[in-house]
Amino acid sequence: QITLKESGPTLVKPTQTLTLTCTFSGFSLSTSGVGVGWIRQPPGKALEWLALIYWNDDKRYSPSLKSRLTITKDTSKNQVVLTMTNMDPVDTATYYCAHPDYDFWSGQHYFDYWGQGTLVTVSS
Amino acid sequence: QSVLTQPPSASGTPGQRVTISCSGSSSNIGSNTVNWYQQLPGTAPKLLIYSNNQRPSGVPDRFSGSKSGTSASLAISGLQSEDEADYYCAAWDDSLNCVFGGGTKLTVL
Repeated sequence: QITLKESGPTLVKPTQTLTLTCTFSGFSLSTSGVGVGWIRQPPGKALEWLALIYWNDDKRYSPSLKSRLTITKDTSKNQVVLTMTNMDPVDTATYYCAHPDYDFWSGQHYFDYWGQGTLVTVSS
Repeated sequence: QSVLTQPPSASGTPGQRVTISCSGSSSNIGSNTVNWYQQLPGTAPKLLIYSNNQRPSGVPDRFSGSKSGTSASLAISGLQSEDEADYYCAAWDDSLNCVFGGGTKLTVL
């Protein structure tokens, strides 16, 4: 059974760096094809994909946020860490981590398991 | 401004069939598959449809998806009160970035 859970600060100040941790179980990031992604959702707004890391350390970032994001993995701890620099009030959102499954027929990924999300508020 | 375009709202009465559209471009929906997510109030998104029209185990067959060109649709037949939720389409683009729609709030009247 796959589970994911996000953890990190609930409140950060403008200009600070946010560090979020996704702790997962039921799969391993040392297995070929496996990855973990991050998605966020401002209150009352739409989902926005942030980043994705694969078992082979291949990393993908949202083009609009690439300069501010870093995603890393700790395979031994079953954790993925997302850092976002220079936080601003517009970055207030619920941050989700999710497991991307792979459909061999289409050759595409989709997020089949999601964490419960963690609300991060950016305010002084 | 989301990359994929969805109507902000949709509605229907119990038992009715409703459809939600998702419009993209040649670089995302036009060349990649579409996934749909259901988000009940106060909860995390849940995978509803993947690869245009595939239902994960446990998703009722009342939910179906289709794709044509640069657009996709989610259809819900036999609408039930518990279907009241936000629905999001998503796809990968040719640069391997994931893009989402702006979401559609479905109201069951």
